[in-house]
Amino acid sequence: SYVLTQPPSVSVAPGQTARITCGGNNIGSKSVRWYQQKPGQAPVLVVYDDSDRPSGIPERFSGSNSGNTATLTISRVEAGDEADYYCQVWDTGSDHHVFGPGTRVTAL
Amino acid sequence: VQLLASGGGLVQPGGSLRLSCAASGFTFSNFAMNWVRQAPGKGLEWVSVISGSGGSTFYADSVRGRFTIYRDNSKDTLYLQMSSLRAEDTALYYCAKLRAGYTYASDHWGQGTLVTVSS
Repeated sequence: SYVLTQPPSVSVAPGQTARITCGGNNIGSKSVRWYQQKPGQAPVLVVYDDSDRPSGIPERFSGSNSGNTATLTISRVEAGDEADYYCQVWDTGSDHHVFGPGTRVTAL
Repeated sequence: VQLLASGGGLVQPGGSLRLSCAASGFTFSNFAMNWVRQAPGKGLEWVSVISGSGGSTFYADSVRGRFTIYRDNSKDTLYLQMSSLRAEDTALYYCAKLRAGYTYASDHWGQGTLVTVSS
């Protein structure tokens, strides 16, 4: 089955840029989604189709996808961005949705 | 969009439980729906997805043969029938609306219902 990898944690100073990677075999050929989950809350979709943002998601959140790595970039990080972030794809080989293990973003 | 999951609780290993997810604020039959679970302190795990018509269903390997996803479009309600429950099925179960068909992203999530499998 298809496997996604993410770093367990990313730390960044407020105002700086956080980059969260999501690795997978030829992930560039898939549509990548990113979800934000704050403690005690349900996940929120922040990026879909590699780089599109749902309405209400700040432009500070952006995505890219190429080769074997997709990236979620959070510009001008705020304390309120502290959360777990999960990447996700639909794997056509197995007809499964697949989530990455998640990355905890901490604003130092 | 509102998604209200219910039906969770404490069940013994080997037991059964049916989760429900009442949807409102959108044309329910036009959208696929997901169940996603999260064990305590762990990450998100996809469980099952169903197309808008209910004609297509897919399951994670860990639940195939034990769980059944279905929907009643006349009642705007999604269900997950769970049987032969195991301790490792203990989790918060989220229902989520997909943006369109069953391969799409989940753009709205309910608050979840907690399932605890323990003797």
